Amino acid sequence: GEDVEQSLFLSVREGDSSVINCTYTDSSSTYLYWYKQEPGAGLQLLTYIFSNMDMKQDQRLTVLLNKKDKHLSLRIADTQTGDSAIYFCAESIGSSYKLIFGSGTRLLVRP
Amino acid sequence: DVKVTQSSRYLVKRTGEKVFLECVQDMDHENMFWYRQDPGLGLRLIYFSYDVKMKEKGDIPEGYSVSREKKERFSLILESASTNQTSMYLCASGTSGDQLWTQYFGPGTRLLVL
Repeated sequence: GEDVEQSLFLSVREGDSSVINCTYTDSSSTYLYWYKQEPGAGLQLLTYIFSNMDMKQDQRLTVLLNKKDKHLSLRIADTQTGDSAIYFCAESIGSSYKLIFGSGTRLLVRP
Repeated sequence: DVKVTQSSRYLVKRTGEKVFLECVQDMDHENMFWYRQDPGLGLRLIYFSYDVKMKEKGDIPEGYSVSREKKERFSLILESASTNQTSMYLCASGTSGDQLWTQYFGPGTRLLVL
């Protein structure tokens, strides 16, 4: 079945890089997404990657996709206190409208 | 900027009450979604609507119904609220093209059923 897993918690120092990891089980993923949820807010789409790409860079964000291992990561360079939030990875499969979400990784950035 | 608004940020209801959660989007999106978010479970899809009056059940539709009479508005209805429906409810609207589904989320409604 479809499943997306993430570690629950990550703590980093301000200025360091953060790497948030995600694994998924369905090999027919079409797109994979990263969303950010700040306290008391809804989810905000950060970035996405098409399944035939290995890497995508967008300013401080780098997404790496290893299809063989079904592993997705989000690297945030020069992490700031404003990056403290919950990060969700999600996948879409084929042309389905359903996004399968992970349970979220809480990122805490220490000053 | 896309704006998705939800009628209430916080709501307290009693068991057995009928509850309406409203969602409005201003981007003329055809697709709208209702999710619930629970700690450790991520987001689970309750219902999806791809057009006015059109809907599809998501993964956990039991105990819920929806209404989409106008394109910009998607309502979630709890016919008889129960304590296990205490949760954060998130509405989203979005577009689709070339299998890319882009969803924009509202701020959420935190519902407590006593």
